[in-house]
Amino acid sequence: GNSVTQMEGPVTLSEEAFLTINCTYTATGYPSLFWYVQYPGEGLQLLLKATKADDKGSNKGFEATYRKETTSFHLEKGSVQVSDSAVYFCALRVGGAQKLVFGQGTRLTINP
Amino acid sequence: DTAVSQTPKYLVTQMGNDKSIKCEQNLGHDTMYWYKQDSKKFLKIMFSYNNKELIINETVPNRFSPKSPDKAHLNLHINSLELGDSAVYFCASRLTSGGTDTQYFGPGTRLTVL
Repeated sequence: GNSVTQMEGPVTLSEEAFLTINCTYTATGYPSLFWYVQYPGEGLQLLLKATKADDKGSNKGFEATYRKETTSFHLEKGSVQVSDSAVYFCALRVGGAQKLVFGQGTRLTINP
Repeated sequence: DTAVSQTPKYLVTQMGNDKSIKCEQNLGHDTMYWYKQDSKKFLKIMFSYNNKELIINETVPNRFSPKSPDKAHLNLHINSLELGDSAVYFCASRLTSGGTDTQYFGPGTRLTVL
């Protein structure tokens, strides 16, 4: 089946620290991969995506590279800000499937 | 200019009641979804409609009945509410014909069953 596993949270960092949130997946076929972010009290927003192996998605200083050999899509940011505090979800969609399969979410808190 | 809107934002009700949550999108998308987010933030799809037809129905109790009167609306009716139904419900939409993979989410409806 299709599944996504994210690193356990919560993650707490100081401002300007380097961030990595691990995400690995299991999929039948070749999935598209996504990172969504949920700020407190809000719905999910697409942060970035990659649709094929070796693609790099990037947005707002965040990056993630689609690694087929390690079935991973780790989220990174070089210098986090307090405003990055949110819950981050890794997700996949396989082929013509209409649904997203989400990881369990990772809560990130950035302290000033 | 809200792309995907949901009403109400908060819903508090007693066990056994019947309630509805409404979703509307003004993006011209042809596919709409309902997701449930539990207290641990785990998100799971419930239903999906494409052009008003049900295409995904995950293992959801039949107390939950989605209704799509047109492509821009997907409502969720819940009968005989139970404590375990307490969650945040998110609506989402996507353009499947010539569109991208991106699903756009509404702000969520927090349902509390007492």
